Amino acid sequence: QKEVEQDPGPLSVPEGAIVSLNCTYSNSAFQYFMWYRQYSRKGPELLMYTYSSGNKEDGRFTAQVDKSSKYISLFIRDSQPSDSATYLCAMTESWGKFQFGAGTQVVVTP
Amino acid sequence: DTEVTQTPKHLVMGMTNKKSLKCEQHMGHRAMYWYKQKAKKPPELMFVYSYEKLSINESVPSRFSPECPNSSLLNLHLHALQPEDSALYLCASSPTHAGTSPYEQYFGPGTRLTVT
Repeated sequence: QKEVEQDPGPLSVPEGAIVSLNCTYSNSAFQYFMWYRQYSRKGPELLMYTYSSGNKEDGRFTAQVDKSSKYISLFIRDSQPSDSATYLCAMTESWGKFQFGAGTQVVVTP
Repeated sequence: DTEVTQTPKHLVMGMTNKKSLKCEQHMGHRAMYWYKQKAKKPPELMFVYSYEKLSINESVPSRFSPECPNSSLLNLHLHALQPEDSALYLCASSPTHAGTSPYEQYFGPGTRLTVT
């Protein structure tokens, strides 16, 4: 079993819809959680990071962490075609070494 | 400004060549990273430097040799690579060093390497 599970998709949604992404993990020591967006053939761009459980909102993006269920989510409201990318979750228990999910490909259709 | 720059953008090299990848950040970050990413896969950690000292080496073959000349610059020296080493090589930096939080990392655009 992988430490971090993420559905690779693709996830196709119409423009304006809410995109819902999630990752599950098995290591209860993970305490720092991140979401990255990666466009094709580019480096990952940090979207959100959260420490421990709870919600965090930044513009159209909301990140949720439920440590009791070992489940994290990213919601994108009012999705745009420019949101079409691969979204990677990442998490760590200590400095330096991240565990990445496989990445979910999102396609927002006009 | 959270910019990490990498040069070159693309590199094609033969198996007998020696080349280097370069990464720079001017954000005052004290930790820098090299990752390798194959198509449709997540990044794989190769090396981590903290305060210009090698902190983590993920058992990477010796044909990859990292160097951190100063706190803003990170190099990856390549020698006698194999075709399976073709990948996107990503550099990242983080504002904190070993043992401190927060932990977020900022990535550069990557160097797309093709080994022929």
